[in-house]
Amino acid sequence: GAVVSQHPSRVICKSGTSVKIECRSLDFQATTMFWYRQFPKQSLMLMATSNEGSKATYEQGVEKDKFLINHASLTLSTLTVTSAHPEDSSFYICSARAGTASYEQYFGPGTRLTVT
Amino acid sequence: KNEVEQSPQNLTAQEGEFITINCSYSVGISALHWLQQHPGGGIVSLFMLSSGKKKHGRLIATINIQEKHSSLHITASHPRDSAVYICAVGSRLTFGEGTQLTVNP
Repeated sequence: GAVVSQHPSRVICKSGTSVKIECRSLDFQATTMFWYRQFPKQSLMLMATSNEGSKATYEQGVEKDKFLINHASLTLSTLTVTSAHPEDSSFYICSARAGTASYEQYFGPGTRLTVT
Repeated sequence: KNEVEQSPQNLTAQEGEFITINCSYSVGISALHWLQQHPGGGIVSLFMLSSGKKKHGRLIATINIQEKHSSLHITASHPRDSAVYICAVGSRLTFGEGTQLTVNP
């Protein structure tokens, strides 16, 4: 099946710094990528949808200036958590969809962010 | 009321047992996904279905669009099936809260 990678898998950063998480589709072109967040013992929540070459669409309550998303190519989307705070500590997961006609999504392995 | 509800929330079974996890949703959907999340967090997509039934190995997923209900079945369960199983619906996924499955040897 299709493969999506994320890097890094784990990151610890100090409060106030910025962290970039990469999501790559390895064997297909992803016209749409999704970013999710999962707090402990909770379900995944969609943060934003990014389409290649256009601005991301953010879900209600997600600050676009804090969570910067760039989808510059058909195989790479990045999520940058700016001025991270301890409450941003979470599990961040991306998924990728190959085309607008398909509803199939392929998930990355996730990135565990800890802000100290 | 959540848009996607799963039952049970927790399920413990003995190896070899037949397992059913249920998902009910309240919104119109284009597709329903069953996902598996292991400790450590990585997610694997098990099925995407919009009608009928799909089978992959020991896993079977069914969906009834009229009743807005889907089930995930695991035959001959094994301890390695222990994970959280998540139902998600729609093109921009809305997730159920997951079912924690533990299969004891």
